[in-house]
Amino acid sequence: NAGVTQTPKFQVLKTGQSMTLQCAQDMNHEYMSWYRQDPGMGLRLIHYSVGAGITDQGEVPNGYNVSRSTTEDFPLRLLSAAPSQTSVYFCASSPRWTGSYGYTFGSGTRLTVV
Amino acid sequence: KNEVEQSPQNLTAQEGEFITINCSYSVGISALHWLQQHPGGGIVSLFMLSSGKKKHGRLIATINIQEKHSSLHITASHPRDSAVYICAVSIDSNYQLIWGAGTKLIIKP
Repeated sequence: NAGVTQTPKFQVLKTGQSMTLQCAQDMNHEYMSWYRQDPGMGLRLIHYSVGAGITDQGEVPNGYNVSRSTTEDFPLRLLSAAPSQTSVYFCASSPRWTGSYGYTFGSGTRLTVV
Repeated sequence: KNEVEQSPQNLTAQEGEFITINCSYSVGISALHWLQQHPGGGIVSLFMLSSGKKKHGRLIATINIQEKHSSLHITASHPRDSAVYICAVSIDSNYQLIWGAGTKLIIKP
């Protein structure tokens, strides 16, 4: 099925560990982004990409790294996990970076850092 | 003042009632998005509007560009409509969506 696929759905990490959250889309969307959602707060943008080879920081980029080597994939790397990074992470894509297109969201990754 | 404001924050209604959720914004936009998130669930895009009105099943979304206001209506509400409804706007000069705080809707049987 066409859409945005996020893996894993759940993950528990120890403080200091690193990991990569995977995001893949098969809709040939130019724009991809990562958000985190914390209880009682809205979605906050971590990083985004407007095309292969182009990435930029969002509102809360510290502690996270991204790359976009292909149109399809946009992995999010946690360099050294901290309890403050416990959150639900969503990947979203859109056909173009200009705003007049709808967004498709992945099902989310629930991350706990202990 | 937030650039995107939703009202009400919380709404509880009986099954069958007509529901209205409002979204006001203060910036020039290229599009307005309504999204739905069920408890513990993913985020689903319901509508994207740049003018007028859209309808999908029991959901209707309207936008008034001059008044910078949008409404999401649910007709014949059902307990499965219980979710958080989020309004977000996109601006061509900015790569980011500007998010409203969400409206938590509970429909009681």
